[in-house]
Amino acid sequence: EVQLVESGGGLVQRGGSLRLSCAASGFTFINYWMSWVRQAPGKGLEWVANINQDGSGKYYMDSMKGRFTISRDNAKNSLYLQMNSLRAEDTAIYYCGRIHYDVVDYWGQGTLVTVSS
Amino acid sequence: DIQMTQSPSTLSASVGDRVTITCRASQTISSWLAWYQQKPGKAPRLLIYLTSSLESGVPSRFSGSGSGTDFTLTISSLQPDDFATYYCLQYNRNSPWTFGQGTKVEIK
Repeated sequence: EVQLVESGGGLVQRGGSLRLSCAASGFTFINYWMSWVRQAPGKGLEWVANINQDGSGKYYMDSMKGRFTISRDNAKNSLYLQMNSLRAEDTAIYYCGRIHYDVVDYWGQGTLVTVSS
Repeated sequence: DIQMTQSPSTLSASVGDRVTITCRASQTISSWLAWYQQKPGKAPRLLIYLTSSLESGVPSRFSGSGSGTDFTLTISSLQPDDFATYYCLQYNRNSPWTFGQGTKVEIK
């Protein structure tokens, strides 16, 4: 069974940093692109970033370029999102997802990031 | 970036109704369009990818159609489990992914 479990969310001050993790199991992690998608409270879904199988290709939403970094450790079956210079508008549930047929087919349960001012 | 305009934002319907949700892209995206269902407090669930391909395990009452800039999700006979919010996603290569604003399907 495919499982994705996010962790690392919490309360952080504006301008601060946070590193999210996503532990993957139930599939061969190294074979798949992975993704981060977020959802602000009561709002819609917003794509954050994708990463290819070996980590050499990284793609970001323009508003997050330079502040967020997606990475992976295939030996640990783990996906990461380093978030710096956090703003109030980054407050959201952050989901990690497995990409299959070019879209996210499995999602984690999400981790909540709250940026306080 | 490609903008996705989803309509309606809210839809009131009864069990057994045929329901249609549309998404329009600001430029052609070929068939790079997916649909997700999300229930409160839960992660999204993939329903349809590549415009019309049904994800494994998704009931056949869900179907997708369209191409270019105009796309449709149809639920042929609405069931109690289908009351949720639905999102389209464009994933055209060489362009950032963008979601529609969502359509909340409510009980009439």
